[in-house]
Amino acid sequence: NAGVTQTPKFRVLKTGQSMTLLCAQDMNHEYMYWYRQDPGMGLRLIHYSVGEGTTAKGEVPDGYNVSRLKKQNFLLGLESAAPSQTSVYFCASSYRAGEASGEQFFGPGTRLTVL
Amino acid sequence: DQQVKQNSPSLSVQEGRISILNCDYTNSMFDYFLWYKKYPAEGPTFLISISSIKDKNEDGRFTVFLNKSAKHLSLHIVPSQPGDSAVYFCAARLITNTGNQFYFGTGTSLTVIP
Repeated sequence: NAGVTQTPKFRVLKTGQSMTLLCAQDMNHEYMYWYRQDPGMGLRLIHYSVGEGTTAKGEVPDGYNVSRLKKQNFLLGLESAAPSQTSVYFCASSYRAGEASGEQFFGPGTRLTVL
Repeated sequence: DQQVKQNSPSLSVQEGRISILNCDYTNSMFDYFLWYKKYPAEGPTFLISISSIKDKNEDGRFTVFLNKSAKHLSLHIVPSQPGDSAVYFCAARLITNTGNQFYFGTGTSLTVIP
């Protein structure tokens, strides 16, 4: 049982390049989330999904797109990377809404640098 | 504007003593509050939670207190151990018509001195 895994762990991009971050979970969770963590800002929600084929915007969605084609995978895309997107990205998953507190299970993070 | 705030970036405590981490929030619609612990180069891990209808929840050495009138919660760790040294994030859940959203504080770095 791997829990939540993220690919890649590190990446360096040049301004304007594109990339996709992959998140996979093997816990059959309905909800999946993408966050970014920046110094002094805590974790901020980018996009989330309440089930296969659904996505919704979080606090800071601009410059990112997401897709949830399979229940176990949640992809985060950067179409044209900018230096302001340099951050550590965390994926998380949780059970269906209404089940207790909705505690989230986090992946190990992806450190992205945009030059 | 930050809806969940942790005003103390860092805290140092002697081993065996009590650690108290604080968190303030602004949105009265939050229905659950959670604490996560994070070690360097790892993702956060869930520690303890409390429903907005409760004022206390205890799990072993960890207790969370909620004061709704003050929009304040705190995490007590007793006794503190060196392995508790980590960054602690407070989070709050908001149920919206598109699903659950979570708002995190900026974190408090706890150092437990042996």
